[in-house]
Amino acid sequence: EVQLVESGGDLIQPGGSLRLACVASGFTFSTDDMTWVRQAPGKGLEWVSVMSGRGDHIYYADSLKGRFTISRDNSKNTLYLQMNSLRVEDTAVYYCAKGPWGGLGYVGMDVWGHGTTVTVSS
Amino acid sequence: DIVMTQSPLSLPVTPGESASISCRSSQSLLHSNGYDCLDWYVQKPGQSPQLLIYLSSNRASGVPDRFSGSGSGTDFTLRISRVEAEDVGVYYCMQGVQIPRTFGQGTKLEIK
Repeated sequence: EVQLVESGGDLIQPGGSLRLACVASGFTFSTDDMTWVRQAPGKGLEWVSVMSGRGDHIYYADSLKGRFTISRDNSKNTLYLQMNSLRVEDTAVYYCAKGPWGGLGYVGMDVWGHGTTVTVSS
Repeated sequence: DIVMTQSPLSLPVTPGESASISCRSSQSLLHSNGYDCLDWYVQKPGQSPQLLIYLSSNRASGVPDRFSGSGSGTDFTLRISRVEAEDVGVYYCMQGVQIPRTFGQGTKLEIK
């Protein structure tokens, strides 16, 4: 079964740091883009960051540059998101998703995890 | 950044009727590969988003043929024929041609 499982969400004070993880199974992890998307309470979807399968292409939302770092360990089928200098406005459910580019070309973000909740509050 | 604009934002539908959602982009979504990089996702209540349509008109695996996507350039449409109660949720379009990827505001489909 193709699956993504996120972890690492927590209640954290402003200015703190957190590392999210996303463990993949059921597909060849190293061939696909992996993307982080977040959703603030009661709001829509916001694209956060993407990393290519080999890790040679990395992109971030402009508002997050310098605070968030995406990485992956293909030997562990795991995607990470290191979040530093957290702000109240970073409070959201963070989803990892497979895609949109992969070994078969552009296929959209065709697998999503269940999400992990980050709450930034004093 | 490419701005994605959906309409309507709220869509009440009678079961068995059809529904359409429009998505317009501020720039062309035509990729150098010759395809329009426009996806449709649905987030059902309490669930993660799931892919419905990619490259404007390709249904994702397991998506019923009641769902269809069309359009090119800057103007796209998601059509749902014979709406069922299980189709309730928020529908998002997303452009995949440029970084940052951007989503539409979402269209909430509800059953009358």
